[in-house]
Amino acid sequence: AQKVTQAQTEISVVEKEDVTLDCVYETRDTTYYLFWYKQPPSGELVFLIRRNSFDEQNEISGRYSWNFQKSTSSFNFTITASQVVDSAVYFCALSESFSGGYNKLIFGAGTRLAVHP
Amino acid sequence: DVKVTQSSRYLVKRTGEKVFLECVQDMDHENMFWYRQDPGLGLRLIYFSYDVKMKEKGDIPEGYSVSREKKERFSLILESASTNQTSMYLCASSPGRDVSYEQYFGPGTRLTVT
Repeated sequence: AQKVTQAQTEISVVEKEDVTLDCVYETRDTTYYLFWYKQPPSGELVFLIRRNSFDEQNEISGRYSWNFQKSTSSFNFTITASQVVDSAVYFCALSESFSGGYNKLIFGAGTRLAVHP
Repeated sequence: DVKVTQSSRYLVKRTGEKVFLECVQDMDHENMFWYRQDPGLGLRLIYFSYDVKMKEKGDIPEGYSVSREKKERFSLILESASTNQTSMYLCASSPGRDVSYEQYFGPGTRLTVT
């Protein structure tokens, strides 16, 4: 069955520390997408990144970077020089295709990141 | 920008009441989704819809129903609310069936059933 595991329930860091959020997935699909979302205290999930299963290049966007490794079924997210505004719950998600041409997202349990001044 | 709005941020209902949660998106998206979010469980899909008047069960549909009479509006209905339905409910939409599309989320409705 499709599954996303975010083993870190909560992480607490001090501002300017680097932090990595882990995501491990299981899938039977050969083509799939992985996503990261951020949920700030306001509640609305915000899309951060999408990666398809054929593209294992790492991606960097400002202080954010993502490491996709198909060999270990992992899609980890690193925040460099963390800031208080990074405090949020972060979700990793995996696309799942099924009959009828439908698809849906399977979410991990989320990692709550607290960045302290 | 895509805008997904939900009718209430906070809602308190009594056990046995019929509850309606409304969701509206303004970007002509085909797909709409209802999730519930509980601590330690992440987001779990309740129902989704790929077209007007069409609905599909998600992973936890028991105790819920949905309605999609217009493309922009997707309603979640709790026929007889129970205390174990106390949760955060999130609505989302996406442009089409392509597996690469991200979903756009509303701000959520925190429902308390007493």
